Amino acid sequence: GENVEQHPSTLSVQEGDSAVIKCTYSDSASNYFPWYKQELGKGPQLIIDIRSNVGEKKDQRIAVTLNKTAKHFSLHITETQPEDSAVYFCAASWNDMRFGAGTRLTVKP
Amino acid sequence: ETGVTQTPRHLVMGMTNKKSLKCEQHLGHNAMYWYKQSAKKPLELMFVYNFKEQTENNSVPSRFSPECPNSSHLFLHLHTLQPEDSALYLCASSQDETGTSNSPLHFGNGTRLTVT
Repeated sequence: GENVEQHPSTLSVQEGDSAVIKCTYSDSASNYFPWYKQELGKGPQLIIDIRSNVGEKKDQRIAVTLNKTAKHFSLHITETQPEDSAVYFCAASWNDMRFGAGTRLTVKP
Repeated sequence: ETGVTQTPRHLVMGMTNKKSLKCEQHLGHNAMYWYKQSAKKPLELMFVYNFKEQTENNSVPSRFSPECPNSSHLFLHLHTLQPEDSALYLCASSQDETGTSNSPLHFGNGTRLTVT
């Protein structure tokens, strides 16, 4: 089955800096890669997703890149703000969605 | 405000109790899921229902029993749980057109379960 590795487990940045979270997956059949943000006391919320026929997708300060050959994908957050502080999860899916273990991002004002 | 509502938000139960978790989705989706979230571990898929039929059971112990009476409601019945079952239980829904899991999941805010 699919195995998703996510790094780093914790990340601390200064407000205004960029943050990058990386994930690798094992099943080359996976073709859907969502990213979720989970704030304290809430469930994960989808923030951006990408499918395997696309190499990059951007939505304002958030972007995701996908390298199918290397089987890794990354989340990029630019101009970070304190409200970006949360736990971020990547996932990979073909027939069964598998999640990474999460990255706790802290943005210091 | 999430379109997926879970009750209760918090639950404390003894190992001999029987309780149920409830989930309701207001998004018109056709698939519903139960996930278990433990500290520092990936989300663990427990059960999947598609068009009210259970399509996946990830080797979950029988002390967890799901029920899906219609496409909008999902229950997780709990009995004789163990302390290691303490976790956040998340319900999710999606519009699954192809029978795969390639659609965005919409999560509720979860039920924080503590087994004493």
